[in-house]
Amino acid sequence: KAGVTQTPRYLIKTRGQQVTLSCSPISGHRSVSWYQQTPGQGLQFLFEYFSETQRNKGNFPGRFSGRQFSNSRSEMNVSTLELGDSALYLCASSKGRENTIYFGEGSWLTVV
Amino acid sequence: LAKTTQPISMDSYEGQEVNITCSHNNIATNDYITWYQQFPSQGPRFIIQGYKTKVTNEVASLFIPADRKSSTLSLPRVSLSDTAVYYCLVGPGGSYIPTFGRGTSLIVHP
Repeated sequence: KAGVTQTPRYLIKTRGQQVTLSCSPISGHRSVSWYQQTPGQGLQFLFEYFSETQRNKGNFPGRFSGRQFSNSRSEMNVSTLELGDSALYLCASSKGRENTIYFGEGSWLTVV
Repeated sequence: LAKTTQPISMDSYEGQEVNITCSHNNIATNDYITWYQQFPSQGPRFIIQGYKTKVTNEVASLFIPADRKSSTLSLPRVSLSDTAVYYCLVGPGGSYIPTFGRGTSLIVHP
């Protein structure tokens, strides 16, 4: 069974640009959550989607947004990139809120 | 939100048993305890999950006392490839916002 797939794996963007990251959950999983990981702040929850609806949101500015499609695939978008947005962005999926979450390999974003 | 506390780092040697403890004093009744392993530049990998007492799988054991205010991940006979950061996660419980601690950096020496 395929795991959580994230694309792209690595990318470099310039300050002020925007970026879209994609996530395909494990087949049958309807919940997708996103996390930002940096050396300084650790693993931080961004938001969670279930059946195309955002159920929870972490403490991040409005520049960070996401969506989920009917096939449970999800995208997250960061607009007006800042240097501090450089991080590993992780997507995770689960069958539902009360099930184990499984992570993808992440997307490395570098903002220059 | 169930906050977790773990040691920042641990050192061990190949072949030894390693026990990593996580404190979660305000764990909720419907919370599970899940442990993840993360290597540099990779996503966290699920290791084991439990609710109470003891759970064992092919790679680890998880010990949870009756009050569930802590849990211990036990790695038998570690090898160099077990060098990684280990996180415990408590949830889902109510308004679920997964909160990871800073994790425990385990270094296994030859």
